[in-house]
Amino acid sequence: KNQVEQSPQSLIILEGKNCTLQCNYTVSPFSNLRWYKQDTGRGPVSLTIMTFSENTKSNGRYTATLDADTKQSSLHITASQLSDSASYICVVSNYGGSQGNLIFGKGTKLSVKP
Amino acid sequence: NAGVTQTPKFQVLKTGQSMTLQCAQDMNHEYMSWYRQDPGMGLRLIHYSVGAGITDQGEVPNGYNVSRSTTEDFPLRLLSAAPSQTSVYFCASSYRERNTDTQYFGPGTRLTVL
Repeated sequence: KNQVEQSPQSLIILEGKNCTLQCNYTVSPFSNLRWYKQDTGRGPVSLTIMTFSENTKSNGRYTATLDADTKQSSLHITASQLSDSASYICVVSNYGGSQGNLIFGKGTKLSVKP
Repeated sequence: NAGVTQTPKFQVLKTGQSMTLQCAQDMNHEYMSWYRQDPGMGLRLIHYSVGAGITDQGEVPNGYNVSRSTTEDFPLRLLSAAPSQTSVYFCASSYRERNTDTQYFGPGTRLTVL
């Protein structure tokens, strides 16, 4: 069964610290992996998209890595800010990457405290 | 561009009532989707469309109807609301670029069915 598992479920860090969120997937065939940020009460926003041939991609202070062999991805946040408080969702797309083939993780809720 | 817009933002229905959730995008995206988000669960696909006149079912289509008469609009109809349909509904649109697509989500509609 195609699944996306994220850990931890929730995380509290102090402002300025770094953190890493994990995503393991059992999706086959694999097309691409995305990380979304969802602020409370708002729709998700795309942070990065990585295809099979990409093993790292950055978007400002966000860096995503992908290991297609072990089917793992991580999202590293550097020098966290209060505005990073949100849920981070890992999404894996299988064949063709079309709308009907996106498998969503349940998300990691990050709280950044002053 | 306004991006993806959804109306209404909040709605309370009684069991058995019908209603339409509106979704519109002004980016000329070919793909549009409807998701529901429930506490402790990932986003689940209800219906999606790969272009005007073409729709398909997602993971949880029962109790919902869609149509896509124009590129811009993708309304979601609840024919006879049930308490199990209490949820937050998100509409998303995207376009294909090589073998990936970037999704843009609307702000969501919070629906309560009593």
